[in-house]
Amino acid sequence: DAEITQSPRHKITETGRQVTLACHQTWNHNNMFWYRQDLGHGLRLIHYSYGVQDTNKGEVSDGYSVSRSNTEDLPLTLESAASSQTSVYFCASSESGGAISDTQYFGPGTRLTVL
Amino acid sequence: GESVGLHLPTLSVQEGDNSIINCAYSNSASDYFIWYKQESGKGPQFIIDIRSNMDKRQGQRVTVLLNKTVKHLSLQIAATQPGDSAVYFCAENVTGGGADGLTFGKGTHLIIQP
Repeated sequence: DAEITQSPRHKITETGRQVTLACHQTWNHNNMFWYRQDLGHGLRLIHYSYGVQDTNKGEVSDGYSVSRSNTEDLPLTLESAASSQTSVYFCASSESGGAISDTQYFGPGTRLTVL
Repeated sequence: GESVGLHLPTLSVQEGDNSIINCAYSNSASDYFIWYKQESGKGPQFIIDIRSNMDKRQGQRVTVLLNKTVKHLSLQIAATQPGDSAVYFCAENVTGGGADGLTFGKGTHLIIQP
């Protein structure tokens, strides 16, 4: 069955380290997204991509970067991890190209702790 | 403030009763709305969606109502079961508005009492 996976599921790192969170989907969806979820803020969009070689900044993109070299993967990189980036990170994908009008399907999440 | 919000952060209902979770939105250009369910330790799961050319849509035990006049969205869950305990999020979107058009509410925690 098609699915969306994230790895690792849990990660503890230190301030200043570079961290990469993986997201892989097998639906062949054009759109992929990264969100962070914090108490009191709900889901906030970090970066998104409408297709290969396309990346865009979301609401809370500072300190994060993404790259889209193929359809299936959108890794999220924290260049220099900060304690404020301690959060649960969700990856999502959707089918339409160029506009978000279709349902987004979410991965299981990665819990990141920055000490 | 939040473009999409929920009236109650926690809703407690008896098992077997019907639940109604409410959501208010402020962007009159929004034309697509989604309800998600998130269980503890899991990612949000799609429940049901509705487009602005409709005012009601039904699924299995769930109904979404859209009132564009007052910018209000609700999710009705019939005969709630223990497995319905979760946080429920509404989300809104402006078709063609890009990713910035998708906004999530903060969530309502539904608690099912035996």
